[in-house]
Amino acid sequence: DIVLTQSPGALSLSPGERATLSCRASQSVLSNYLAWYQQKPGQAPRLLIYGASSRATGIPDRFSGSGSGTDFALTIDRLEPEDSAVYFCQQYGGSPLITFGPGTKVDI
Amino acid sequence: QVQLQESGPGLVKPSQILSLTCSVSGGAITSTSHHWIWFRQPAGKGLEWIGRIHVSGSPNYKSSLKRRVSISLDTSKNQFSLTLDSVTAADTAVYYCARSSSFLSFGVDVWGQGTAVTVSS
Repeated sequence: DIVLTQSPGALSLSPGERATLSCRASQSVLSNYLAWYQQKPGQAPRLLIYGASSRATGIPDRFSGSGSGTDFALTIDRLEPEDSAVYFCQQYGGSPLITFGPGTKVDI
Repeated sequence: QVQLQESGPGLVKPSQILSLTCSVSGGAITSTSHHWIWFRQPAGKGLEWIGRIHVSGSPNYKSSLKRRVSISLDTSKNQFSLTLDSVTAADTAVYYCARSSSFLSFGVDVWGQGTAVTVSS
C-alpha cells in the first residue's frame, strides 16, 4: 500500500510569514497525481492543488505546490489568519486507489 | 455550479446496514469526466476513501471494505448511493460524497457538506 507521511504535524506561524508543508510518499506517485486540500473545522475539505502544482479554481496564488515522485510540498506565502486549517495531501492511482496523508495543522 | 447533498439516517444499530444517498444538482451524474466518490472521516481523524463509481464502469472499493460496501448510480434521479453492511462502532464517522475530475488529475473538486453517522444501539 502507498502511505503518505506529512510533516510537520503542526505549525504555528504569524501573519505574513511563509508556511512550507511536506508530503512524502512510500512509493512514487503515479503521474504526479498528488493533490492538496484545506479543511477547516466543521467543513468539508477544499481542493487547493492538483497534479502536484496546479492551483484549483479560485485558489489565491499565495498557495503553490511543488515536487514529484515521492516528495511534494505545499507552500503558503503571506499567511493570513483565514489560512488556519488542517492541510491534507492525497494521492491517486496507487493502492489503495486514493489515500490521504494524516494532515498538518496550521495555526496563524 | 455543481452541488452535492448527502442524506440518510444519523444513527444505525450495530450489525445493521448503513445507507446514504448523494443528490447531485447543477450537473449530470452521467458526465464521463467525473467519478463519484464516498469518503469518511472519524471525529478528529483523517480522511478515508471508501469507493468510487463512474457512469461507464464498475465501482472501485477500498480493499479492506470491499466485502461490506456497495456504491451505485441512479441516473434517473441524478443520485448515487452507498451501502455498508454489518456496521460496527468503527464505522462511526462523518461521511462525505464527492466528485473527482479527470481534467484535474482526478482531484476532488466538489464535496458535499458531510453527514454524521453514529453506530450505536
